[in-house]
Formats: sequence, C-alpha cells, structure tokens
Amino acid sequence: QVQLQESGPGLVKPSGTLSLTCAVSGGSISSTNWWTWVRQPPGKGLEWIGEIYHSGSTNYNPSLNSRVTISVDKSKNQFSLKLSSVTAADTAVYYCARGVWLDYWGQGTLVTVSS
Amino acid sequence: DIVMTQSPDSLAVSLGERATINCKSSQSVLYSSNNKNYLAWYQQKPGQPPKLLIYWASIRESGVPDRFSGSGSGTDFTLTISSLQAEDVAVYYCQQFYTTPYTFGQGTKLQIK
Repeated sequence: QVQLQESGPGLVKPSGTLSLTCAVSGGSISSTNWWTWVRQPPGKGLEWIGEIYHSGSTNYNPSLNSRVTISVDKSKNQFSLKLSSVTAADTAVYYCARGVWLDYWGQGTLVTVSS
Repeated sequence: DIVMTQSPDSLAVSLGERATINCKSSQSVLYSSNNKNYLAWYQQKPGQPPKLLIYWASIRESGVPDRFSGSGSGTDFTLTISSLQAEDVAVYYCQQFYTTPYTFGQGTKLQIK
C-alpha cells in the first residue's frame, strides 16, 4: 500500500519561500507515475500546482509557474515543493499525491503565510 | 486552461434516493486516438484528503462501492450515487487530466435531506 506524508514548516512569512517534502513509502518513486502537488485554501476548492516524473520532467500551473519548483530525490524516495514570494493568498492545505488521476494522497499539511 | 463547471453547487437528497452531480468542461477531454475521456471524480469528507472514486470517466477505483457510477463523454459528465447512504455526505469534485494544468470543478456539496 503506497503512503505519502507531507512535512515542512506550518508558518511562512510573507515574501518568504514555502518548502515542503513528500515522503513516499510502500512503493518506489521511480515507478511509472507522475507525482503531484495540490493545494486547497481554507473552505475552498482544489488547485493543481504541478507534477514531476522520476526522470525530473515537470509540469507547472502557469498561474504559479514563475514561483514554483518541484524536485525529486530518488535516493530518499521523496519529492519536494518550493513556492517563492508567498503572500496570504498562498495559505492553504498542501497535499502531495500520486498520478494524473490521483489515486493516493497524503493527509495534507496546513501552511499559513503570516508575519 | 480547461474550465470545469459542476452543477449544482449543493444538493440535498433523501437516504436511499439517487444523487446526480454534473460536470461540464470548457473543451472536450476525449482523446480520439484511444477513445478515453480524461476525467476523474473525487469525494472529500471534512478534514480528509480527497478520495479517488472514478477515472477515465467511468472506471470505478478499486474498493469504491458500486452505487457510485460515472458516465458521459466529450464535455459533459455525470457522477451518480444510486442509493444515497449517510456516509456519502461529502464534497465531490471532478478533474480533467487531459492537458496541464489539470483543473478541478468548484465542488458539489452533498447533504442528506
């Protein structure tokens, strides 16, 4: 059974960089899957942030393109998200998930942008 | 971007009755070369991550009860719950994975009448 677990700071200052990691267990990150980040502002809907393949190929949401970087660490079986120049609008629960249709999800981690 | 629009925004159905949620995409998500619709449905309960119900518009994910079914093609899709159970109270989302950025509908809140 594949499991995903997000980790990272729950509070980030405005103009700072949000950094999260998703640890994958029960399966290899080098399998034939894309690995995805999705976020959900409090009380709102889901927004696709971007995805990475184990080869390092990435696709990003153009609404965030210039601020987002997703990377993979095959040695640690994990992938990461960096979002720069954050504002209060980036406050959300951040989920990592597997695939293009998202069959496995982490529990999510709330990141608050505040001074 | 492909815009996904769900209707209704909220829905109240009696236990044992049928619930129907619609999803419309701003452009077709049917890939002609394989005749597959790149459309998924998710269920999200409070405080939980979304759970995959349906992919390829009509293929039920393993372990999902057969009262859940998906239908439609091209730009118009439907999620049907044939006999509503109390545990089905949730917000439901459609998602297109035809082209990036993948996009979700705004969600439909399903409640018991």
